[in-house]
Amino acid sequence: QKEVEQNSGPLSVPEGAIASLNCTYSDRGSQSFFWYRQYSGKSPELIMFIYSNGDKEDGRFTAQLNKASQYVSLLIRDSQPSDSATYLCAVNPVDSSYKLIFGSGTRLLVRP
Amino acid sequence: DGGITQSPKYLFRKEGQNVTLSCEQNLNHDAMYWYRQDPGQGLRLIYYSQIVNDFQKGDIAEGYSVSREKKESFPLTVTSAQKNPTAFYLCASAPGLAGPGPKNIQYFGAGTRLSVL
Repeated sequence: QKEVEQNSGPLSVPEGAIASLNCTYSDRGSQSFFWYRQYSGKSPELIMFIYSNGDKEDGRFTAQLNKASQYVSLLIRDSQPSDSATYLCAVNPVDSSYKLIFGSGTRLLVRP
Repeated sequence: DGGITQSPKYLFRKEGQNVTLSCEQNLNHDAMYWYRQDPGQGLRLIYYSQIVNDFQKGDIAEGYSVSREKKESFPLTVTSAQKNPTAFYLCASAPGLAGPGPKNIQYFGAGTRLSVL
């Protein structure tokens, strides 16, 4: 069974700090990795995707991928209270580029 | 206004009843998906379709059925065989075509919250 693991949290950080969210995956051949943000009672929205080893930056968000260690992380710089949400990690399994396997999410709380 | 529309937003099911959740997209996407989310849980795949008139079971297909007669539409029926249907149901679509790249990014509708009376 292919798995995507996330710490459920909550991860609590003060406003302005860097929030670091981590995700590990079991399928070594996975090629595509996604981070979604989900506010309480709402649907997930894509915030980052990454395909290659290394870092990818978009505004205050940085995704980091290490395929050898099978983890992907999301850094949020200058965290704001509006960043408080659940962050879902999703991975394409190697046997199907159409499917995503989701982790159960990490709940982030940004304290004003 | 492009996007994915799910309806209704809230749905109540009586015991023994089948109910159908609607999902329509105007993004010209080939692939469409149905997920179920239980409180504090991640998303679990119910069914997916890569092309019109074809669909595959996901991880938790029992008690559910789908059809894909049009590219834009992928309705989900929750049958009476699904004994624990209370959940948040999410429809998603993706551009499609195999291989890495933006074509496999999934975009979500607003969801339907189903409860049992």
